[in-house]
Amino acid sequence: EILLTQSPATLSLSPGEGATLSCRANQSISNFLAWYQQKPGQAPRLLIFDASNRAAGIPPRFRGRGSGTDFTLTISSLEPEDFAVYYCQQRSDWPKITFGQGTRLDIK
Amino acid sequence: QVQLGESGGGVVRPGTSLRLSCAASGFTFGNYAMHWVRQTPGKGLERVAVIWFDGRKSSYLESVKGRFTISRDNANGRLYLQMNSLRDEDTAVYYCAREGSGTSIDHWGQGTLVIVSS
Repeated sequence: EILLTQSPATLSLSPGEGATLSCRANQSISNFLAWYQQKPGQAPRLLIFDASNRAAGIPPRFRGRGSGTDFTLTISSLEPEDFAVYYCQQRSDWPKITFGQGTRLDIK
Repeated sequence: QVQLGESGGGVVRPGTSLRLSCAASGFTFGNYAMHWVRQTPGKGLERVAVIWFDGRKSSYLESVKGRFTISRDNANGRLYLQMNSLRDEDTAVYYCAREGSGTSIDHWGQGTLVIVSS
């Protein structure tokens, strides 16, 4: 089974600062990685697919990078609405897909 | 716009059954694979089941195999999850979701809460 480990578990930053979130797979998944944002009481929202492609309507301050086992989601300048939980998800062995445990991005 | 709306959640006893439904609109339903994904505070997000666009194949989370069945009605834009022999650990918010770009999940419903408790 492909496992995804996200770090840190919690990240406390201020609006305007940059954020870097990490997702590591226990084996190579090529670029088959997506990132989601989830706010309280809401469903997850797709941000990035295939490691680096922004989904429709996602602002350019969100950037995904990586391949193989190491991936990052960078938010260049945090807006108040960016404080949420972020999940990565792999589809390398589709139809099996798995999610990371999430990184909570809190306002400092 | 794409809309997914789940229904059928509730509080049930262990060992009983429940059927979740999802009404899809705003896109050609029969062109997309569809998922049920559940979320709990303890286990996070788990993809429970997926069904191919034409309904011919499906795949399940190991822990629900033989108990849950995913199905779809392409003519009416409906997705279903029949859940039998429910266990305490099936307690979760269940999301209906569409497979989209790059085989990610590009649209999610608002979720329906299932509580299995004696």
